[in-house]
Amino acid sequence: GDSVTQMEGPVTLSEEAFLTINCTYTATGYPSLFWYVQYPGEGLQLLLKATKADDKGSNKGFEATYRKETTSFHLEKGSVQVSDSAVYFCALTQGGGGNKLTFGTGTQLKVEL
Amino acid sequence: GAVVSQHPSRVICKSGTSVKIECRSLDFQATTMFWYRQFPKQSLMLMATSNEGSKATYEQGVEKDKFLINHASLTLSTLTVTSAHPEDSSFYICSAETSGRAFFTDTQYFGPGTRLTVL
Repeated sequence: GDSVTQMEGPVTLSEEAFLTINCTYTATGYPSLFWYVQYPGEGLQLLLKATKADDKGSNKGFEATYRKETTSFHLEKGSVQVSDSAVYFCALTQGGGGNKLTFGTGTQLKVEL
Repeated sequence: GAVVSQHPSRVICKSGTSVKIECRSLDFQATTMFWYRQFPKQSLMLMATSNEGSKATYEQGVEKDKFLINHASLTLSTLTVTSAHPEDSSFYICSAETSGRAFFTDTQYFGPGTRLTVL
């Protein structure tokens, strides 16, 4: 079955540092890939998505590129802020709608001053 | 856009009682709604998928009679935890998917979650 593997956290960075959170996947066909962010005590918010190979999703300074050759969708940000502290989930779904999301285990990011 | 609400945000109940959680899509019609459960510091576990007007499809290991899901309209789904016990205490999150052109299709939009504590 489909699966998503994320780097374990917590990841602790200083403000303005460069962020990379690794995500790799195993799936049949051509899944859509997502990054969701969860702030403490809240539900998940869609951060960005990509639906086909070489697509780059970007939002709020975050970006991730759908790499089919390495089955990866690593999340990056050039300069993190304290407000970016949250848990980040990588996920995939098989296309067509109505299909469940397969989540990674989540990576907690802590950004300190 | 693509706002999903949940009510209540927090509920505390006694063991043996039933609790209903509502999930609403506020600015779009949800073709499919999903219910997840999340344990502390863990990922989300899909419980069931529901389409408006039809029975929910439950994931393996999820008790249908304990977690009743009703998707009566294109903007409302409810999860009822029947005869709740302390082990049902968890964070329950719903999501909704739409085929509407104003939003991403093939993308789930999540509610803020409901914290259930069973004493």
